[in-house]
Amino acid sequence: ETGVTQTPRHLVMGMTNKKSLKCEQHLGHNAMYWYKQSAKKPLELMFVYNFKEQTENNSVPSRFSPECPNSSHLFLHLHTLQPEDSALYLCASSQVAGTSGSSYNEQFFGPGTRLTVL
Amino acid sequence: GIQVEQSPPDLILQEGANSTLRCNFSDSVNNLQWFHQNPWGQLINLFYIPSGTKQNGRLSATTVATERYSLLYISSSQTTDSGVYFCAVGGTDKLIFGTGTRLQVFP
Repeated sequence: ETGVTQTPRHLVMGMTNKKSLKCEQHLGHNAMYWYKQSAKKPLELMFVYNFKEQTENNSVPSRFSPECPNSSHLFLHLHTLQPEDSALYLCASSQVAGTSGSSYNEQFFGPGTRLTVL
Repeated sequence: GIQVEQSPPDLILQEGANSTLRCNFSDSVNNLQWFHQNPWGQLINLFYIPSGTKQNGRLSATTVATERYSLLYISSSQTTDSGVYFCAVGGTDKLIFGTGTRLQVFP
């Protein structure tokens, strides 16, 4: 595997289901991101993990729960979602520059998971 | 926060034509990337260009950081160039995406 991979590629779930999205990066990066792309809206940053620590939560509802067990893997746990949560969920990674972790460099994206909530 | 505007929102071209896509941003940035999103949703990295000029085949990009804009040039367009082109800019902590330019290239 190379680059950033995401599974599953497609997911259909009911509002009462619990599911998880998985992202794995094979680039040796130390920062990972979840983005949401809804129809007719710009990509929105959801979460940022820098050296496995969450550094950004962009006012995301608690029904989305991220987990970053190590710098190569990122999960997004989903529960009691709403139909308006249907979207393309994209994972990205980058190599953070500097010891403070405050400068972010080029981001590389996975193919995305297309989620439909019924 | 930083505002990112892309123009034009839509562009229709015949194969072989050239085009220029523009990205304006409202504040100084440390990171600027251009992406092509294919019909399957995959974001393809085109350029990482916080300043200066780069070229890759038929594509080139220029960022004038002091004037807060970037341009993406596509020459001799092909049908495979169709899709949405996004500009994304970052300060110190995240990428902010523009709303994209939807390009359709017809044979």
